[in-house]
Amino acid sequence: DIVVTQSPDSLAVSLGERATINCKSSQSVLSSSNNKDYLGWYQQKPGQPPKLLIYWASNRESGVPDRFSGSGSGTDFTLTISSLQAEDVAVYYCQQYYTSPPEFGQGTRVEIK
Amino acid sequence: EVQLAQSGAEVKKPGESLKISCKGSGYKFTSYWIGWVRQMPGKGLEWMGIIYGDSDTRYNPSFQGQVTISADKSITTAYLQWSSLKASDTAMYYCVRGSEYGHSAGDYWGQGTLVTVSS
Repeated sequence: DIVVTQSPDSLAVSLGERATINCKSSQSVLSSSNNKDYLGWYQQKPGQPPKLLIYWASNRESGVPDRFSGSGSGTDFTLTISSLQAEDVAVYYCQQYYTSPPEFGQGTRVEIK
Repeated sequence: EVQLAQSGAEVKKPGESLKISCKGSGYKFTSYWIGWVRQMPGKGLEWMGIIYGDSDTRYNPSFQGQVTISADKSITTAYLQWSSLKASDTAMYYCVRGSEYGHSAGDYWGQGTLVTVSS
């Protein structure tokens, strides 16, 4: 199974500042057949289900603000919130969906400093 | 509008059986996978398994034999079932539609069903 590890477990960022979350998979999630990384990012606010933000490592889901961006390939990935807003307080999860079973990272809690 | 409507919260005793549901609407149910995700209190997300149509089912080995995933395409509803609940099954359970980006990348989520197992 592919193990997915996020860092840090939590971070506090001032409003308007950049937040960066890292995600590392134990094996590559890059498909050689279509050159896509099968890595997604989700946001979960308190009391709500998760919401897909990013798919294929760097593609924003429809309606997601452009302050959210994903980067990376192979085994190392990053979610960046370029200018943190109050409504971005949440837990963020990465997920590999390249192999079965799909695996989520342990989550990163983002708070306001 | 795509919606996944889950059944309501349940309180059960250890050893009891349970079947929770997830009704899809606003899209062609038989063209998408439906998955189930567990979230234990204060913990992260765990992918339990997935079903396509009403027969092609794949389980996370961690949950194989512990739950049964099924679906009735005639009523566009997926199910998650336990035959004998344990206290450790206490959790929020989400159904999620597999997206066009990958059948285990969930683009629409149900609101969740809270299952509490306590004597």
